[in-house]
Amino acid sequence: NAGVTQTPKFRVLKTGQSMTLLCAQDMNHEYMYWYRQDPGMGLRLIHYSVGEGTTAKGEVPDGYNVSRLKKQNFLLGLESAAPSQTSVYFCASREQGAFTEAFFGQGTRLTVV
Amino acid sequence: KNEVEQSPQNLTAQEGEFITINCSYSVGISALHWLQQHPGGGIVSLFMLSSGKKKHGRLIATINIQEKHSSLHITASHPRDSAVYICALQGAQKLVFGQGTRLTINP
Repeated sequence: NAGVTQTPKFRVLKTGQSMTLLCAQDMNHEYMYWYRQDPGMGLRLIHYSVGEGTTAKGEVPDGYNVSRLKKQNFLLGLESAAPSQTSVYFCASREQGAFTEAFFGQGTRLTVV
Repeated sequence: KNEVEQSPQNLTAQEGEFITINCSYSVGISALHWLQQHPGGGIVSLFMLSSGKKKHGRLIATINIQEKHSSLHITASHPRDSAVYICALQGAQKLVFGQGTRLTINP
């Protein structure tokens, strides 16, 4: 049981390049989330999904797109990377319900130069 | 105003001291999480609370729903407790995080 797995763990991009971060969970969770963590700030919600085929914007969605074509996978895309997107990205998942534990991936450290 | 505020932002203490980290919030929630993040590491769930108090080893978490306040206590603190402790609010769908409290325990 791997839990929540993020790939890649590290990446360096040049400004303007695109990439996709993959979050995979094997717990059959309905809800999945993408967050970014920046120094001095808490985790900020980028996008989230409450089920296969659904996505919704979070607090800081600009510059990112997401897809949830399969229940176990939640993809975060950067179409044209900018230095402001340099951050550590965390994926999380939890089961639907009012009182369900959240599980987190190990994070992806992205640097845009 | 942020929905969730943690205090203090930074805390340095000596080994053995009793530690308290506070979390105040301003919205209705279904649950509150306390999480731990070690430097360069992932995020681990410590507690999930909807009422009352929970204890796990040297860690104790309490919540007062009426006052919209939660505390995380560490008894007999140890250098390995050094980490960032994060309070997170669980609503109907979203998880909203506090800024975290950076705890350093010196030997």
